[in-house]
Amino acid sequence: DGGITQSPKYLFRKEGQNVTLSCEQNLNHDAMYWYRQDPGQGLRLIYYSQIVNDFQKGDIAEGYSVSREKKESFPLTVTSAQKNPTAFYLCASSARGVLAKNIQYFGAGTRLSVL
Amino acid sequence: DQQVKQNSPSLSVQEGRISILNCDYTNSMFDYFLWYKKYPAEGPTFLISISSIKDKNEDGRFTVFLNKSAKHLSLHIVPSQPGDSAVYFCAASINAGKSTFGDGTTLTVKP
Repeated sequence: DGGITQSPKYLFRKEGQNVTLSCEQNLNHDAMYWYRQDPGQGLRLIYYSQIVNDFQKGDIAEGYSVSREKKESFPLTVTSAQKNPTAFYLCASSARGVLAKNIQYFGAGTRLSVL
Repeated sequence: DQQVKQNSPSLSVQEGRISILNCDYTNSMFDYFLWYKKYPAEGPTFLISISSIKDKNEDGRFTVFLNKSAKHLSLHIVPSQPGDSAVYFCAASINAGKSTFGDGTTLTVKP
């Protein structure tokens, strides 16, 4: 059963704490993405990775960090430098190449709240 | 500068009627456009797409129209069903690169 798994579904962060959101895919996709969604807004790109051991900043990378050590995994760390982390976080993956059309497959999301 | 805009935050239609969701873009380099559907507390799912070399793509009840001169695309759902009630996101990409998303339109289909 192929897909993208995000965990946990809900996460709470204390002031000054770093937290890590997990994203795993078994679709054999090369590209992976992290988005943030705030109420009433669209998806804003945080980081993306086109291949293992390589990643690029998206539009709102400040206060976040990622790693891509394995093809299947693309964890996102929300650092204490991110002053407004409360949001719904979505991970996605897509196959590379023009034929893939960058159709992205999304996980179910992680809702992060600040205590 | 928002490159992909969905100017209607919400749309309400009667079951069986047509739903038309609109999307405007500013970057003429976009060459591929996608629509995603999202239910609450879930991730978006791909619905339909269109290449910039076409002006229409149809898949069952869903049709996307592209007007490149106006930098405008629309998603038509005919007939609309209550299960179509969701948030619809328009997205655009260049050369199969990363996508830029609009803010979404919440569609409500009333029985």
